[in-house]
Amino acid sequence: DSGVTQTPKHLITATGQRVTLRCSPRSGDLSVYWYQQSLDQGLQFLIQYYNGEERAKGNILERFSAQQFPDLHSELNLSSLELGDSALYFCASSATSGRDHEQYFGPGTRLTVT
Amino acid sequence: QKEVEQDPGPLSVPEGAIVSLNCTYSNSAFQYFMWYRQYSRKGPELLMYTYSSGNKEDGRFTAQVDKSSKYISLFIRDSQPSDSATYLCAMTLTGGGNKLTFGTGTQLKVEL
Repeated sequence: DSGVTQTPKHLITATGQRVTLRCSPRSGDLSVYWYQQSLDQGLQFLIQYYNGEERAKGNILERFSAQQFPDLHSELNLSSLELGDSALYFCASSATSGRDHEQYFGPGTRLTVT
Repeated sequence: QKEVEQDPGPLSVPEGAIVSLNCTYSNSAFQYFMWYRQYSRKGPELLMYTYSSGNKEDGRFTAQVDKSSKYISLFIRDSQPSDSATYLCAMTLTGGGNKLTFGTGTQLKVEL
C-alpha cells in the first residue's frame, strides 16, 4: 500500500457526461500528479500540483481540469466525455516538487465511457 | 519515435532465472531513471531509482544506467512467480516540476 488513495475505484458513465476523480496524497506529501493509462498510449502525464498551485502540465485536454485543495487532496474533472477517454487514471504523490523521481502511485480509477 | 523505448514482451522465464529488462531513450537531458512494477489492475509501484550513470542494488534487483549509450537495465536475480508483472521504466529531468516519461512496459511471467 503506497499510502495514496483514490476514489472511486470504478466509474461507468455515458458520453457527454462529466465526472470527478479524487485523490488523497501520502501523509506529508505536497506534490500531486495525475496520469492516464490506456492500452494504446501507455502511461501519460497529465498535470502536477504542488501545495495548491499548478506546477507542470502535460498532454491534458482542455476538457480536463484539476485542482489541489488546502488539505492537499486533489480532484481531476473530466467533462464532455468521449469513448476515447476510457482509461485508468492514476494519481501519484511525492514529498516535494524537487522529488519528481520518487512518486508513489495510488490504485487508480478505472473510467469506462459508454 | 518515442522518447523512451521498451520491449513490450511478453517475457517468460523459469523460476530462479536471471531476468534482464531494458529501455533505451533519446533525451540526453534525463538525469533520474526509475523502475516501476505494476501488477494487473493495480497502480505502479516504485522499485528503485538511479541518479545519472552507475549501478544500484536492492536485494534481488539491480538497476544499471549507461548514459553514454542512453540505455538502462533492470536485473532480477533468482526470479520468483511473485515477480510476474509489468515492469515500466521511467525517466525525468532534475529541478522539480518535471513529468515522468514512461516506457510502454515489459510484461514478465515467471513460471514454476
